[in-house]
Order: sequence, then structure tokens, then C-alpha cells
Amino acid sequence: NAGVMQNPRHLVRRRGQEARLRCSPMKGHSHVYWYRQLPEEGLKFMVYLQKENIIDESGMPKERFSAEFPKEGPSILRIQQVVRGDSAAYFCASSPTREGQLETQYFGPGTRLLVL
Amino acid sequence: AQTVTQSQPEMSVQEAETVTLSCTYDTSESDYYLFWYKQPPSRQMILVIRQEAYKQQNATENRFSVNFQKAAKSFSLKISDSQLGDAAMYFCAYRSALGSGTYKYIFGTGTRLKVLA
Repeated sequence: NAGVMQNPRHLVRRRGQEARLRCSPMKGHSHVYWYRQLPEEGLKFMVYLQKENIIDESGMPKERFSAEFPKEGPSILRIQQVVRGDSAAYFCASSPTREGQLETQYFGPGTRLLVL
Repeated sequence: AQTVTQSQPEMSVQEAETVTLSCTYDTSESDYYLFWYKQPPSRQMILVIRQEAYKQQNATENRFSVNFQKAAKSFSLKISDSQLGDAAMYFCAYRSALGSGTYKYIFGTGTRLKVLA
């Protein structure tokens, strides 16, 4: 059973460009979470999605950031007009939907975004 | 709002020895989950152990065990017979129980564990 997949693993963008980060949850998982980790810091929650629904986006910056999890395909975290402060590791996690399992999140390897 | 505090930025342990990493949290909720995740240099987040707040028994996973003190809001991780492969950042995380709050994890700032040969 493949784990959570994220791509690309490394992404370099110049200021003002767009960054698209993709996450494929584990098979059978329909709950996806995005976290951001700044250098030497812990992970900070950004957004929680289920298929075609944003459940909690309380950690998302109000501007330039958006996320989706379509019926088919991976979840996408999109950052428009990137700035240097967006440089970070972005982690995706997924959780099972069975009761008693939902609370455990399994993390992908992360995408390291570097904004020049 | 819930908070998670890891007061030890860095710890060292001799190989084969035992080390305890501290974590405290603040919440007004009575039902929740606590986790320890390991982040080695590869930066992959690996689940080490989880604890349900309603369970009095401390969770154990092979060489890893927790000391869960609900009244004190303390959740420490003990690593026995430390191995070189245990060297990593360790993060403590909190999650509300189903139906009682958000599903997001709240992470501490991490403790870097060094294992000395």
C-alpha cells in the first residue's frame, strides 16, 4: 500500500510566479491536510479538505493561497505570486475514514519550496 | 485555543541508554488525542506513538513509551535502548476528539535528539 505521495519534492520559483503542489493520499483515505514548516520550526496547519469540500481553512493565508481536492485526482495547494517568505516545506497528510482511525494522520515526504 | 509546548530544543543520549522528551499542552477539552512524530534528516514525518486521552494506560511501541499525565497535561516520550537511527527531530502533537473541535494537529516546536556512539 503506497504511502502519501507528494510532488514535486523540490520546487524553485522566482518571486511573482505560481507554485502548484500536489498530494495523492493513501489508498482509501479521503481526508487530506496541508501543513507548512518554516526552517527550524514545527508544522503549522493550513487547510483540511475532503473530496470536493474544504472543511477547515483557518490556517490558510487570506490571499494568494488556495487548495482543492477534486473528485478525481490529487489535492492541489496553489500559491500565486510567490514571495520569499513562502519558502518552506509543505507537508500533506491523509487519514482513513473509518471510525476509530480518522484521528491518525499519515504524512507525505513534503515539498520543499524555494523562492528566489 | 490549544497549545503544545516542548521546552527542550535539544537533547543528547548515549547509545543504548534511555532518554525522555518532554511535552506539555494546554486545553479545556476532556477528550483528545496525543501523538509523537519523528522527523529524521530526510524530513519525512513518521508516527512514533499515539495516546487516546480517555485511556489511562500509557501507550507503548517496542522501545518507545509515553508517560501520560492527564491532570498535569503532560505527555512525555521515553526511548529505551537508544539507537543511532533514533537521531531526529521529535514533535509532539495534539488533536481534538471527533465532534468536539477541529481535526487539525497542533504541533510543538520540536526537540532535536542526538544519539552519541
